[in-house]
Amino acid sequence: SYELTQPPSVSVSPGQTATITCSGDRLGDKYASWFQQKPGQSPVLVIYQDAKRPSGIPERFSGSNSGNTATLTISGTQAMDEADYYCQAWDSSTAVFGGGTKLTVL
Amino acid sequence: EVQLLESGGGFVQPGGSLRLSCAASGFTFNSHAMNWVRQAPGKGLEWVSSISGSSGSTSYADSVRGRFTISRDNSKNTLYLQMNNLRAEDTALYYCARDNFPMGKGWFDPWGQGTLVTVSS
Repeated sequence: SYELTQPPSVSVSPGQTATITCSGDRLGDKYASWFQQKPGQSPVLVIYQDAKRPSGIPERFSGSNSGNTATLTISGTQAMDEADYYCQAWDSSTAVFGGGTKLTVL
Repeated sequence: EVQLLESGGGFVQPGGSLRLSCAASGFTFNSHAMNWVRQAPGKGLEWVSSISGSSGSTSYADSVRGRFTISRDNSKNTLYLQMNNLRAEDTALYYCARDNFPMGKGWFDPWGQGTLVTVSS
């Protein structure tokens, strides 16, 4: 079965750039989405179709996808960005999520 | 405003059954595929099942195939998940999420608030 691999945790200082990766076999041939989940809240879509931002998502969130790796980049990270982040892609008719990355802003 | 409201969760013994519902509003329900995604306590997201806007196509995770059935009633703008032969490992918060495309394989937005299913003896 298809798997997406994320680092369990990433730390960043306020104002710096956070990079979260998501790896999967030929992931670049698929579309990747990214979700943000804060404690006690439902997931929120922050990136879809690799690099598009839904309305209401700040411009500091960006995405890319090539080869075997999709990347979520948060520029000028703010304390409010501290959350769990999940990547997701479709493999045939199955949706696959990465294991999630806890972003700590310190 | 697009809203998804799940209900039907609860406490059930192993081998038991539950039916979850997701009431949708604020959009043309039959124009969107719908999904169930679950999250075990303290764990990550796990996709469970999808259904196309017309109900003509469904798909399931291997972990639930043969035990869970997804369906929808477009006249009531409601998505369902019938869960049979429940196991302890099915304990999770179950979210419904709208797919952008009528046939699915799009992006999940928005998500409901979730309904908790606990399977224990």
